[in-house]
Amino acid sequence: EAGVTQSPTHLIKTRGQQVTLRCSPISGHTSVYWYQQALGLGLQFLLWYDEGEERNRGNFPPRFSGRQFPNYSSELNVNALELEDSALYLCASSFNSAGQASSGNTIYFGEGSWLTVV
Amino acid sequence: AQSVAQPEDQVNVAEGNPLTVKCTYSVSGNPYLFWYVQYPNRGLQFLLKYITGDNLVKGSYGFEAEFNKSQTSFHLKKPSALVSDSALYFCAVRDSMDMGRRALTFGSGTRLQVQP
Repeated sequence: EAGVTQSPTHLIKTRGQQVTLRCSPISGHTSVYWYQQALGLGLQFLLWYDEGEERNRGNFPPRFSGRQFPNYSSELNVNALELEDSALYLCASSFNSAGQASSGNTIYFGEGSWLTVV
Repeated sequence: AQSVAQPEDQVNVAEGNPLTVKCTYSVSGNPYLFWYVQYPNRGLQFLLKYITGDNLVKGSYGFEAEFNKSQTSFHLKKPSALVSDSALYFCAVRDSMDMGRRALTFGSGTRLQVQP
C-alpha cells in the first residue's frame, strides 16, 4: 500500500515568488495535515483539512494557504516567499480525526518537500 | 490546550546500553500520546502511541514507552541501543478535551546519538 506521497521533493524559489506543494494521502484517509520544519527547529503546525474543509490553522500568516480536493489530496500554497520560508514541508494523513472518538488516530507522514528560498 | 516538552536536545548512549528519551505533556483532559522518529533528510516515522489501557506501550524496532499520569510523562525506552537508532525523536500529544479540534502538537525533538 502506498504511503503519503509529496511533490516536488526539492525546489528552489526566489524571494517574492509563489510555490505550490502537493500531497496525496494514504488510501482511505480523509484528513490531511501540513507541518513546517525549519532547519534546527521542530515541527510547526500549518493546516489541517478533513473532508474538504479546513479544520484548524496554525500561527502562520495568510500567505500560507491550501485546499483539499474531493479525492482528499491537498495543496499547500505559499505566496510572496521570504527567506525564512526555507524549510522542509511535511504532509501527513490519517483517518478522520475530528471528534473525540477518533482523536487517537495515528497520522502518517510523507517524505516532505524541501523548499529553498534564495 | 495541549503542549509537550522534550527537555533534552541530545541524548548520548553507548551501543548495547539502555536508552531513555524523555517527554512530558500538558493537557486539560486525557492525553493521546505519540512517538515518531526522523532519520536524516526523511519524513517522520510512527513508532508507537498511547490511547488508553496498559501504561507500557510496545512499538516498532524494539522501542517501548511508559505512560505515567501522575508525572505527566511518556518516556521512550529501549533495552539495548543500536547505532542505527541514531536519529531525531519527536513526542506528540493530542488532548481528548479538544474534541478533535486541534491537530497533533509536537515537541522540539531529541537527537539520539548511539556510539559504537
